[in-house]
Amino acid sequence: ETGVTQTPRHLVMGMTNKKSLKCEQHLGHNAMYWYKQSAKKPLELMFVYNFKEQTENNSVPSRFSPECPNSSHLFLHLHTLQPEDSALYLCASSQADRENYGYTFGSGTRLTVV
Amino acid sequence: DAKTTQPNSMESNEEEPVHLPCNHSTISGTDYIHWYRQLPSQGPEYVIHGLTSNVNNRMASLAIAEDRKSSTLILHRATLRDAAVYYCIIYNQGGKLIFGQGTELSVKP
Repeated sequence: ETGVTQTPRHLVMGMTNKKSLKCEQHLGHNAMYWYKQSAKKPLELMFVYNFKEQTENNSVPSRFSPECPNSSHLFLHLHTLQPEDSALYLCASSQADRENYGYTFGSGTRLTVV
Repeated sequence: DAKTTQPNSMESNEEEPVHLPCNHSTISGTDYIHWYRQLPSQGPEYVIHGLTSNVNNRMASLAIAEDRKSSTLILHRATLRDAAVYYCIIYNQGGKLIFGQGTELSVKP
C-alpha cells in the first residue's frame, strides 16, 4: 500500500457505458495527477490538479472528465470510450511546486474497453 | 523540461551492483534529478532524487556528475525484485513529472 488508493483495480466496460475511476490519498498532499499508460509506452500525463484546481489538461479527449472535489480525492469519469482507450490509468499525488519532493503513485486501474 | 537519455535495457546478475546511466545535457541549475522505477503491473515508485551532491538512501545511491549533465543510479546488490523499468526524470519548480521510455533492468539469478 503506497498511501494512494485507486479503485477499482480492474474494469471492463462497453463503449456505451459510463464509469468512474476513483483515487484517494491521505498523505496531506495538495496536488493530484492522472496518467495513462498504454501497452509498451511511457506514462502520459493527462490532468493536473493543484489545490483542487485543474491546472493542466494535456489535450485529453472530452470523453475523459476529471473531478477533484477536495485535495484528498480525484475522480476520472469515463463515457463513450473507444477500444484504444484500454490502458493502465494511474493516479499520483505530491506537494505542489516542491521540486525536491517525490510523487506517490497508486497501483492503477487496468481498463479494458470492449 | 530538460530531456533525458537512458539505455533501453540492461542486464545484471543477482547480488552484483548495477549502474544505470542517464544523460541530461540540457539540465539547468535549479533542476532536480529524480529516479523512479516501475515493477511489472504496478505504478511507478519513487527511488531517489538529488540536485548537485551524491545521495544515498535505503534503496539506492545517486551519483551526479560535477557538470550535472549526467547521473548514475546505483543499486549496490541487485535482487530479483529489482527487475523493473527505471526512469530518470528532470524535475523543476512548476514542472510536472514527465516520463520517458526508461531502462528496463532484468536480473539473472
